[in-house]
Amino acid sequence: AQKVTQAQTEISVVEKEDVTLDCVYETRDTTYYLFWYKQPPSGELVFLIRRNSFDEQNEISGRYSWNFQKSTSSFNFTITASQVVDSAVYFCALSEQGAQKLVFGQGTRLTINP
Amino acid sequence: GAGVSQSPSNKVTEKGKDVELRCDPISGHTALYWYRQRLGQGLEFLIYFQGNSAPDKSGLPSDRFSAERTGESVSTLTIQRTQQEDSAVYLCASSSSGTSYNEQFFGPGTRLTVL
Repeated sequence: AQKVTQAQTEISVVEKEDVTLDCVYETRDTTYYLFWYKQPPSGELVFLIRRNSFDEQNEISGRYSWNFQKSTSSFNFTITASQVVDSAVYFCALSEQGAQKLVFGQGTRLTINP
Repeated sequence: GAGVSQSPSNKVTEKGKDVELRCDPISGHTALYWYRQRLGQGLEFLIYFQGNSAPDKSGLPSDRFSAERTGESVSTLTIQRTQQEDSAVYLCASSSSGTSYNEQFFGPGTRLTVL
């Protein structure tokens, strides 16, 4: 069975701090895809990144970076030098090869205080 | 180009009434998905359409829920005899094909409140 766990329900930090959002997943498939989405207060989900199970290279995009470790079934997301505009709910999601649906974690509400 | 659109943005209804929620996917996207997001929760998969194939209805929570899609265009999610536990945001997404790795583009959602 597929499952995604985001153990951190809420995180609050002061602007310019670094923050890491944890994501742990469960799957029996060897081929799968991991995603992060951002849901700002407006409500519309915004795609951030996709990773396939065969690519464990870390990814950096500006202030955002992702650490994928198959050994611990984790796909963590770090925001460096956080900004108030980063405040949102962040979702980690999983899809298995041949399965079209996304399985989402419960989300982490991130608040960046000025 | 235009993104995924949904209507209405908000719907308030009385318990026992039927409601219809509409989704317009991105033009040319063959795959369409419906998800439900309860307050403070993650998204739950409801149903998936891919072209003219039979839809994957495995996520529909009860037979009060149904959805239709004509070809590769608009989809309608219908909830009959609404219950208070149906209150949630209903999100629609589309993707260029139904493969597992394709990014899904989400609409703004319809917030349903059942009184």
